[in-house]
Amino acid sequence: GAGVSQTPSNKVTEKGKYVELRCDPISGHTALYWYRQSLGQGPEFLIYFQGTGAADDSGLPNDRFFAVRPEGSVSTLKIQRTERGDSAVYLCASSKSWAGVAFFGQGTRLTVV
Amino acid sequence: GQQLNQSPQSMFIQEGEDVSMNCTSSSIFNTWLWYKQDPGEGPVLLIALYKAGELTSNGRLTAQFGITRKDSFLNISASIPSDVGIYFCAGQPSVGGGSEKLVFGKGMKLTVNP
Repeated sequence: GAGVSQTPSNKVTEKGKYVELRCDPISGHTALYWYRQSLGQGPEFLIYFQGTGAADDSGLPNDRFFAVRPEGSVSTLKIQRTERGDSAVYLCASSKSWAGVAFFGQGTRLTVV
Repeated sequence: GQQLNQSPQSMFIQEGEDVSMNCTSSSIFNTWLWYKQDPGEGPVLLIALYKAGELTSNGRLTAQFGITRKDSFLNISASIPSDVGIYFCAGQPSVGGGSEKLVFGKGMKLTVNP
């Protein structure tokens, strides 16, 4: 597509529930990133995919967070047993390669109540 | 997580004025990027810098990659109301394990009074 697309744009969930956030990268971009942005802060790195594999998942805060990219295109960020502290904007970005400039989607605003 | 030191945190200026902001890091970066974020949107790339000492312009924007590779600045000249938003610096660490990720500053909120 023309840009990085993220769905849903907003998600409200109850504490303890499971959520999935989807990212459609720019067509042909092999690198895909997930970032989390809390209010008043800059984005913080979560995980980076090169193709289908997670090349760097050092930013995932704990084992409740998991991401997949099974066919090297669309990616899903999965959060189990959500907590109120997980509330944030989750941003996805893609680039042509690991050294390329990253283009961001509009983000998914997750609110855990 | 790691964040860059970005200053100032906010600025209120009159339309037509120039504005400068900068970012510093305790570690070396391979690439410096400047993004602008509007409410409800993702960051949009303004300028990318790839070499120490590089000075790059994009319209009314000028950015420089510090010679030490630990800092960068962004200037906006002759500001207009649509410059309002939050400006982020981002650095890509030197080549090595996990270097592909970007490290962001906390952002500079710009308000332009018409």
